[in-house]
Amino acid sequence: DAKTTQPNSMESNEEEPVHLPCNHSTISGTDYIHWYRQLPSQGPEYVIHGLTSNVNNRMASLAIAEDRKSSTLILHRATLRDAAVYYCILRYNNAGNMLTFGGGTRLMVKP
Amino acid sequence: GAVVSQHPSWVICKSGTSVKIECRSLDFQATTMFWYRQFPKQSLMLMATSNEGSKATYEQGVEKDKFLINHASLTLSTLTVTSAHPEDSSFYICSAMPGLAGVKAYEQYFGPGTRLTVT
Repeated sequence: DAKTTQPNSMESNEEEPVHLPCNHSTISGTDYIHWYRQLPSQGPEYVIHGLTSNVNNRMASLAIAEDRKSSTLILHRATLRDAAVYYCILRYNNAGNMLTFGGGTRLMVKP
Repeated sequence: GAVVSQHPSWVICKSGTSVKIECRSLDFQATTMFWYRQFPKQSLMLMATSNEGSKATYEQGVEKDKFLINHASLTLSTLTVTSAHPEDSSFYICSAMPGLAGVKAYEQYFGPGTRLTVT
């Protein structure tokens, strides 16, 4: 399975944008890029996903490099409630298979 | 939105006893459910995949006779930790996927987790 690499942790100030990077240099053409986040003592929740084009939703934006070997999750205005572990996951064919979680990035938001 | 519940949210049991954890999809039918385990400060590790009406598929290194999974209906899967030991203490999380006809079929919905402590 193609793997992802993320920084272990990042810090942000409240109300400022946050850019969370993810490298996936061995991504295949049928891999979709998914982002989930896990708040403390909770199960993960879906954030966003994409294939080639940049994507926006109410939670975040996803910027995908042209060669698809990296992507960036963008939180436009971080709040204290965004403090969580963010996981970048490659999902084969976007279909009903399991998610393989890597280490993720622990985002800390300072007031 | 789709909701997955787990029961109990936490449980303490004595070594040697068995514990059952329930995972329910509340407002959609889940043909596939997954069970994960997460140790403190670590990532989620997939334990098994269960499909309604068939035997679960276990990941390498996960003892199927110790972690019994039953997916008896499209809205309920159970994980039973048999003869629990202190090293089984962990955060157990289930997730569910809607069937092909479900909205947002690409999205996996996670339960809130069950914290198991074996004394």
